[in-house]
Amino acid sequence: DVKVTQSSRYLVKRTGEKVFLECVQDMDHENMFWYRQDPGLGLRLIYFSYDVKMKEKGDIPEGYSVSREKKERFSLILESASTNQTSMYLCASSSGTGAGYGYTFGSGTRLTVV
Amino acid sequence: LAKTTQPISMDSYEGQEVNITCSHNNIATNDYITWYQQFPSQGPRFIIQGYKTKVTNEVASLFIPADRKSSTLSLPRVSLSDTAVYYCLVGATGFQKLVFGTGTRLLVSP
Repeated sequence: DVKVTQSSRYLVKRTGEKVFLECVQDMDHENMFWYRQDPGLGLRLIYFSYDVKMKEKGDIPEGYSVSREKKERFSLILESASTNQTSMYLCASSSGTGAGYGYTFGSGTRLTVV
Repeated sequence: LAKTTQPISMDSYEGQEVNITCSHNNIATNDYITWYQQFPSQGPRFIIQGYKTKVTNEVASLFIPADRKSSTLSLPRVSLSDTAVYYCLVGATGFQKLVFGTGTRLLVSP
């Protein structure tokens, strides 16, 4: 089975801190994605990457950046955490892009910014 | 990207069949229809995908009429563990991003 592993299940950070969320997949997938999920808003795409060192903005990239130095690893960076970034963050990977391919998600990281 | 509309919530009892319908009036010729399931505090899980007619796997069936403007996810004999949020997505293989709506929250009671 494809595994997508997120480094932390729960994180508590202070306002203004730089936060790194790590995601690793073990199936050699080209495509990786970062979503955030908030009650009533569903899943919203932050950034995605279709190749090493390549990245594309999703719907809500403001306040975030990403890094993909290796194919299996996709990191989400909150440059200066703010309370409105308190959310569940979900990483996903797939062998292709779009609904024609099945996406595999990690278990999520619940981030609280205080 | 074809927009999807599905009910916000549904209630059922153990052992019943549950059908969740998704409307996608603007579906394009090369779009697939995919359903995901999400349990609390977990990421969504791919459960079934189809293009037309009927698809069945060990978890669910997916019914797609000829005009493809809607689809129905069918869960046979649900159990308490089927309580989850179900998302319907529509898009093509060349699409760069997958957009989730708010899904259908299914509650299965004893």
